[in-house]
Amino acid sequence: NAGVMQNPRHLVRRRGQEARLRCSPMKGHSHVYWYRQLPEEGLKFMVYLQKENIIDESGMPKERFSAEFPKEGPSILRIQQVVRGDSAAYFCASSPDGGSSEQYFGPGTRLTVT
Amino acid sequence: AQSVSQHNHHVILSEAASLELGCNYSYGGTVNLFWYVQYPGQHLQLLLKYFSGDPLVKGIKGFEAEFIKSKFSFNLRKPSVQWSDTAEYFCAVSDSGAGSYQLTFGKGTKLSVIP
Repeated sequence: NAGVMQNPRHLVRRRGQEARLRCSPMKGHSHVYWYRQLPEEGLKFMVYLQKENIIDESGMPKERFSAEFPKEGPSILRIQQVVRGDSAAYFCASSPDGGSSEQYFGPGTRLTVT
Repeated sequence: AQSVSQHNHHVILSEAASLELGCNYSYGGTVNLFWYVQYPGQHLQLLLKYFSGDPLVKGIKGFEAEFIKSKFSFNLRKPSVQWSDTAEYFCAVSDSGAGSYQLTFGKGTKLSVIP
C-alpha cells in the first residue's frame, strides 16, 4: 500500500516563476492537508481540501498561493511569482476522514527560490 | 493562536539511557496532542496521540507521553533508548473541536543515540 506521494522532492525556481507541487494521497483517502515548514520553524497548517472542495484555507497566504484537489489526479499547491521567502519544505498529508483522524505525511517538497 | 515549544534542539544520549523530551503548548481550550517521529530519510510517522482519558499514553516502540494539563505539557519518555531511536521528534497540538485537523507543530528535537 503506497504511502502519500509528493513530487518533485526538490524544486528550484527563480524569483517571479511559478511553482507547482503535487500530492497523491494514500489509496482510499479523500482528505488532503498542506503544511509549510520554514527554516528553523515547525510545520504550519496551510490548507485542507476534500475532493473538489477547499474546506479551510485559513493558513494560506492571501496572495500568490492556491490549492486544488480535483476529482481525478493529485492535489496541487501552486505558488505564483515566487519570492525568496517562499523557500521552505512543503508537506502534504492525507486521511481517510476529516476531523481528528490520523494524518499520514508525505516526504515533502523542498522549494528553493534563487 | 496556538504555539508549541520543544525545549531541546538536539539531544545526545548513549544506548540504554533514559529519554525525556519536553513539549509545552499555549492554548486555553481543550486540545489533542501528538508526537511524530521522522527517521533519517523517511516520512513523518505518528508515535502516539492523546485525545482524552488516561493522561499517560503509550505509543509504538516503547515510547510513552504524559499529559499534564496544569503545566500545558506533553513530555515524551522512553526508559531505555536504542541506536535505532536516532531521529527527529516533533510535538504537535490541535484544537479538539471544529479545527481538530489543524496541527501546529513544534520546531522538533533531534535525538542522536550513540552505540
